[in-house]
Amino acid sequence: AQSVTQPDIHITVSEGASLELRCNYSYGATPYLFWYVQSPGQGLQLLLKYFSGDTLVQGIKGFEAEFKRSQSSFNLRKPSVHWSDAAEYFCAVGPRHTGGFKTIFGAGTRLFVKA
Amino acid sequence: DTEVTQTPKHLVMGMTNKKSLKCEQHMGHRAMYWYKQKAKKPPELMFVYSYEKLSINESVPSRFSPECPNSSLLNLHLHALQPEDSALYLCASSHPTGGSHNEQFFGPGTRLTVL
Repeated sequence: AQSVTQPDIHITVSEGASLELRCNYSYGATPYLFWYVQSPGQGLQLLLKYFSGDTLVQGIKGFEAEFKRSQSSFNLRKPSVHWSDAAEYFCAVGPRHTGGFKTIFGAGTRLFVKA
Repeated sequence: DTEVTQTPKHLVMGMTNKKSLKCEQHMGHRAMYWYKQKAKKPPELMFVYSYEKLSINESVPSRFSPECPNSSLLNLHLHALQPEDSALYLCASSHPTGGSHNEQFFGPGTRLTVL
């Protein structure tokens, strides 16, 4: 069955510290991978995506993620966290084929940033 | 324009009311989505329209009635809702073809409260 696992329900990091949010997926084929961020009461904003090519992808707001096929992982990283990064982060997998619409979301990881 | 707009931002309704949520995009996307999101949970897919035709209905109760009047607009008509339907309702859009174009762009959501 297709699934996305985000093992950490919440993470607290100090401002200026590095961040890594974990994501593991189970998918029958090579997936199309996303990280979204959601501030309280807001919609989801796409941080980055992986479709093919270089397995290290750069996104907005200084985030990057690395696709590791052997580990079925797509972890999100940021070298220095800012207080404004406090939000909910969702990893997701989507279909590659035309007419495939179902994006599978992980349960989310809530990021807290302390001063 | 890479924006999905949703109105209203907030909606409070009684269980006997009829109301509608509206979503609009001008990115030329031909796939549009409704999601329901409860607090501290990922979005749950409700409906997908592709080329203005209903493509996916995730067994949503009939008190929710979607409508796609044209390629830019998506409505969700609400009638006889229950308090447990209170949630953030998110609209999204994407290209309907597979591959690198099918990332979804999300609106800010409508916060619905059913009394």
